[in-house]
Amino acid sequence: AQSVTQPDIHITVSEGASLELRCNYSYGATPYLFWYVQSPGQGLQLLLKYFSGDTLVQGIKGFEAEFKRSQSSFNLRKPSVHWSDAAEYFCAVGGLTGGGNKLTFGTGTQLKVEL
Amino acid sequence: DGGITQSPKYLFRKEGQNVTLSCEQNLNHDAMYWYRQDPGQGLRLIYYSQIVNDFQKGDIAEGYSVSREKKESFPLTVTSAQKNPTAFYLCASSTVGETQYFGPGTRLLVL
Repeated sequence: AQSVTQPDIHITVSEGASLELRCNYSYGATPYLFWYVQSPGQGLQLLLKYFSGDTLVQGIKGFEAEFKRSQSSFNLRKPSVHWSDAAEYFCAVGGLTGGGNKLTFGTGTQLKVEL
Repeated sequence: DGGITQSPKYLFRKEGQNVTLSCEQNLNHDAMYWYRQDPGQGLRLIYYSQIVNDFQKGDIAEGYSVSREKKESFPLTVTSAQKNPTAFYLCASSTVGETQYFGPGTRLLVL
């Protein structure tokens, strides 16, 4: 069975500081990996995705993530956080096994940015 | 504009009542999905459909029903059998095997 662990429920960083959100996954085949962001009361917006190829992927809003197969991780990073980055971040894993592209989500990391 | 719309934004359900949440997409996606979101639990898959007139149960289908009569529409009915329906419901769509894109969500509250 596929699963995702986001070990940090809440993270607080100062504006301008660097950020790393952790994501560990379990998946029986080559995974598709995603990071989504959600503002309060809103839907999810895709930040970036990994399907294959270069293990360092760039996304929107200056975010990047690195796929490390040996560590089953897909951590999200940003070199300098802006106050508008405060939101909840979800990591998800999926693939074509079992039919379709069923995603399994982590429980999310709530990011607070101190000015 | 291409996208996914969900209506209503807020929905109130009385005891014993069935309610239907709407999800429409004009992205020409074959696959559509319904998720339930509760605080601290992430998103959980209720139902998904990869093609018109076909759908499969997700992880928490009990108390819910769906239909897929048109490619662009995937309504979700929360039945009276769902004893704890208060949650935020998110619809998504994708080309099969590709990235899922999400609608703005419907918040269901019980009166």
